[in-house]
Amino acid sequence: DTAVSQTPKYLVTQMGNDKSIKCEQNLGHDTMYWYKQDSKKFLKIMFSYNNKELIINETVPNRFSPKSPDKAHLNLHINSLELGDSAVYFCASSQVLAGRKDNEQFFGPGTRLTVL
Amino acid sequence: AQSVTQLGSHVSVSEGALVLLRCNYSSSVPPYLFWYVQYPNQGLQLLLKYTSAATLVKGINGFEAEFKKSETSFHLTKPSAHMSDAAEYFCAVTLIIQGAQKLVFGQGTRLTINP
Repeated sequence: DTAVSQTPKYLVTQMGNDKSIKCEQNLGHDTMYWYKQDSKKFLKIMFSYNNKELIINETVPNRFSPKSPDKAHLNLHINSLELGDSAVYFCASSQVLAGRKDNEQFFGPGTRLTVL
Repeated sequence: AQSVTQLGSHVSVSEGALVLLRCNYSSSVPPYLFWYVQYPNQGLQLLLKYTSAATLVKGINGFEAEFKKSETSFHLTKPSAHMSDAAEYFCAVTLIIQGAQKLVFGQGTRLTINP
């Protein structure tokens, strides 16, 4: 009954490969996010989808392509992986209520991506 | 632009001692502030949030934070540290963009508890 789940938990791959990370939430939320946490633990938003529509794209290289087949899923596909893509990627979801800015985001357990 | 700064990337306290993790914000509008905790190899969990209803906010696990507008601060405290509090703590401010909420995080503070 995990609220936000991600697969895989660990991903080790070679430079130049293409890989995907999947995220699913069973909270009924309408907004989902991808965050990147670098080796210094710094967290930065990458993308946000609201009702399957891309809302936030934080100048992420176009090798990263999010896909939201429905409100409960937000997948992240990465082409031509580079060494600098090594990080922990977190998926999150929230229900953004109109006029409210205090909506809690629920985070998945993270996917540790290592590019060799 | 709204941002938060966490003072001290690493804080170490003894078990039973006071925990104080510092966060200062920069915002041109009334901010909505959050503290999240990340235990080793896990995702982030909300500790507490400030929504302007009360300046002293109580969260889970005995943590609380006080919003001080005059000091632009939202420091996190706990009267008595437990070993289980060892984790990474993140302060964050929120922006709303076209219906999506964007969290802008501070650099994080690693809390170590000494026996």
